[in-house]
Amino acid sequence: ETGVTQTPRHLVMGMTNKKSLKCEQHLGHNAMYWYKQSAKKPLELMFVYSLEERVENNSVPSRFSPECPNSSHLFLHLHTLQPEDSALYLCASSQDGLTWGAFFGQGTRLTVV
Amino acid sequence: SQQGEEDPQALSIQEGENATMNCSYKTSINNLQWYRQNSGRGLVHLILIRSNEREKHSGRLRVTLDTSKKSSSLLITASRAADTASYFCALASGGSYIPTFGRGTSLIVHP
Repeated sequence: ETGVTQTPRHLVMGMTNKKSLKCEQHLGHNAMYWYKQSAKKPLELMFVYSLEERVENNSVPSRFSPECPNSSHLFLHLHTLQPEDSALYLCASSQDGLTWGAFFGQGTRLTVV
Repeated sequence: SQQGEEDPQALSIQEGENATMNCSYKTSINNLQWYRQNSGRGLVHLILIRSNEREKHSGRLRVTLDTSKKSSSLLITASRAADTASYFCALASGGSYIPTFGRGTSLIVHP
């Protein structure tokens, strides 16, 4: 275990559903990230929060909505997704990224039907 | 932000052999990180090497960085079947600490 916990591990949702992915870290890190991993593509950075403020939003469609209520928790709210949004969604956290690497959760395998 | 480019895309070796994978990039970096990912799971951080460092070791792992050639290599010595995974390099560049990832090298170690 890396100290970053993601729930659920697997999620199947219809295109009209609303669901949320949750990420939790108790490592004392001050930055948290959402990445999307699709088959045969590089890991795509979606959102970055530093000290609970969003510092990066990589042109992600509005059907993905992040929330960082405190430094230990990060959510990704999903609504009206498309089948091409099916992927592994990875949460990560880091502290002072110039010194240490990022710690990743196990991911949520999302399937949109 | 820039992505690293890993080479080769796939590598298949026998247990006990060494595995070498490379990462090249285009512009200057703050640091370069190597990660491992077992199938369908999260990434595990292996080693971070700063731009002013040339070599780092961790157990059977050795990472080198050549900033003049803009490349890094990850060497796994005496590989084991359990080393079978995808290996990614991630770059932090410009004023950013945020790691951006390449496509990875898929390593298979046959018992």
